[in-house]
Amino acid sequence: KAGVTQTPRYLIKTRGQQVTLSCSPISGHRSVSWYQQTPGQGLQFLFEYFSETQRNKGNFPGRFSGRQFSNSRSEMNVSTLELGDSALYLCASSLGPGQLNEKLFFGSGTQLSVL
Amino acid sequence: AQTVTQSQPEMSVQEAETVTLSCTYDTSESDYYLFWYKQPPSRQMILVIRQEAYKQQNATENRFSVNFQKAAKSFSLKISDSQLGDAAMYFCAYTASGGSNYKLTFGKGTLLTVNP
Repeated sequence: KAGVTQTPRYLIKTRGQQVTLSCSPISGHRSVSWYQQTPGQGLQFLFEYFSETQRNKGNFPGRFSGRQFSNSRSEMNVSTLELGDSALYLCASSLGPGQLNEKLFFGSGTQLSVL
Repeated sequence: AQTVTQSQPEMSVQEAETVTLSCTYDTSESDYYLFWYKQPPSRQMILVIRQEAYKQQNATENRFSVNFQKAAKSFSLKISDSQLGDAAMYFCAYTASGGSNYKLTFGKGTLLTVNP
């Protein structure tokens, strides 16, 4: 079974631009969550989607948004990029709420550099 | 707010030896989950072990075991018979059992080096 797939692997953008990152969960998984990882702040929760609905959101500005499609694939978008948005963005998938012994499976991330 | 603290930024161990990584957390919840994740240079976060707070028995997964002290809010990871492939960044994480199970709060991580 294929793991969590994130594309692209690396991305370079300039300040003010916008960017879209993609995440394909493990087949059969319906929940997707996103995390930002930086050397200074560490790993921080961005948001979580289940059945195309955002169930939870972290403490990030409105420039960070996401969505989930009917096939459970998810995208996150960052508008008006700032230098501080440079980070590794990790996506994680799981079966969904209420599943016994629920576990998160992470992708390898998208490394975003903002110049 | 929940916080997770890993007081050891770096640790090293000799191959085949045992090492313990420390983690403390702060929460007012009575029911929650604790995790140890491993992040090798490939950057993928890999679940090492998981502990439910309501279970008194410490979780074990092969060479990995935890010492869960609920009253002290301590959750350390013991790696026995360390192998070169164990070298990675290790993160301790917490989530409350109510509501979203996916809003993990992570510690800053401990970089583990395994010396041959």
